[in-house]
Amino acid sequence: DAGVIQSPRHEVTEMGQEVTLRCKPISGHNSLFWYRQTMMRGLELLIYFNNNVPIDDSGMPEDRFSAKMPNASFSTLKIQPSEPRDSAVYFCASRGRDYNEQFFGPGTRLTVL
Amino acid sequence: GQNIDQPTEMTATEGAIVQINCTYQTSGFNGLFWYQQHAGEAPTFLSYNVLDGLEEKGRFSSFLSRSKGYSYLLLKELQMKDSASYLCAGSTYSGNTPLVFGKGTRLSVIA
Repeated sequence: DAGVIQSPRHEVTEMGQEVTLRCKPISGHNSLFWYRQTMMRGLELLIYFNNNVPIDDSGMPEDRFSAKMPNASFSTLKIQPSEPRDSAVYFCASRGRDYNEQFFGPGTRLTVL
Repeated sequence: GQNIDQPTEMTATEGAIVQINCTYQTSGFNGLFWYQQHAGEAPTFLSYNVLDGLEEKGRFSSFLSRSKGYSYLLLKELQMKDSASYLCAGSTYSGNTPLVFGKGTRLSVIA
């Protein structure tokens, strides 16, 4: 299995631009999680999906952030408009029905200038 | 509520033993995970404790005390490549809920 796949791996954009991060979970996994990691705040849960349905988005910082999971093999996290304080590493993770362990993707390092 | 506490940084010498502690307050606590994260990389699974006691896996061991809300990760025969952040995370009984992560302990192994 290829593991959790994220794209792009690096994104540099200017303030005000739209940013879309993509995630492909491990095949057969039914839960998907989006995290943001910074030095100051550590690993923060933004939103998670069970069976493609958003369950808890209370970690999404503002209305500028949105996430979708149109099918079991794909999810997006969108920031519009982006701001410099959104600069962070964004991780996607997935988990199977019979597991407690979460498997992380390689992350997307976002820099907003 | 959910709360995971662990030290921010630790330094240890190559070849030595280091213990990284974690205390937790997690509603509906089920088990405790440890993840390793090298700089610029994703967290990777190290261990999972559900029952009280020590789980040994090579140079790494993890301990859990449910009554005390306490866990530790023990690293033996430290190597330079063990320099990384170590994340403590709690899981709950409530089905497919996310892990609750601590902020991580950054371990530096020095010669």
